[in-house]
Amino acid sequence: QKEVEQDPGPLSVPEGAIVSLNCTYSNSAFQYFMWYRQYSRKGPELLMYTYSSGNKEDGRFTAQVDKSSKYISLFIRDSQPSDSATYLCASTSGNTPLVFGKGTRLSVIA
Amino acid sequence: EPEVTQTPSHQVTQMGQEVILRCVPISNHLYFYWYRQILGQKVEFLVSFYNNEISEKSEIFDDQFSVERPDGSNFTLKIRSTKLEDSAMYFCASSVDRGPSPLHFGNGTRLTVT
Repeated sequence: QKEVEQDPGPLSVPEGAIVSLNCTYSNSAFQYFMWYRQYSRKGPELLMYTYSSGNKEDGRFTAQVDKSSKYISLFIRDSQPSDSATYLCASTSGNTPLVFGKGTRLSVIA
Repeated sequence: EPEVTQTPSHQVTQMGQEVILRCVPISNHLYFYWYRQILGQKVEFLVSFYNNEISEKSEIFDDQFSVERPDGSNFTLKIRSTKLEDSAMYFCASSVDRGPSPLHFGNGTRLTVT
C-alpha cells in the first residue's frame, strides 16, 4: 500500500547548503503531517509536526504541506554534518495509524 | 526530556522460539504502539494499545503476536513462534493522546531470527 512515497536518496550536499526533502501521499483523508529524523541504530525522532496545508518553521527547519497537490516538503537551511541522517515523512488522518515513507538518507559533507 | 526505553537492544533467537520485547513508555502517555522496520523497508504499524486493550492492529499482527501491559509501566510485545521473516527492528512508541498526537519512539530492539 503506497500511501506515502519518498525518494530514498541517498542525497549528499556540502555543509551550508539548503536541503529540500520531499514526499507525496495518496490518501486525501490525511490531515496531519510529520517529519522524523532517524540516526543510524536509533529510533525515529520527531522533528516537525504540521496540520493541513501551510508552512511551519522551527530554527533551520521549515515544513511545508500542499494538500492540493498532496506534496510534503522539509527544508533545512545552513545544513550541518550533524544533520546527516535518514529523514522520514509520515501522515495520518487523525484516527488511523501513522503511515511512513521509506525515508531519505541525507549526508552533509564538511 | 522523558523518553521511551526499550530492552534489549539486540535479541538473537532461533526459529520457533518465543521472544518478548520490552518497552517503558513515557509516564504520562496513554497510547502505546509497536512498529517494525525490516532492513531497507518502511517503518510499519503493528498495533496500538489503550486502556489495557488493543485499539487497532495491522494485518501483520497475526495470532503469533500479542501485547501486554503487565504492571502499569512496562509494555511488551510477544512473538510466540518466531520465523525468519520476523527479523527486523521493533520500535515501541507512545503518545499523550490518540490520532494526531505525535508519537515518541524508543531506540528499538533489533531482532535476529536464525
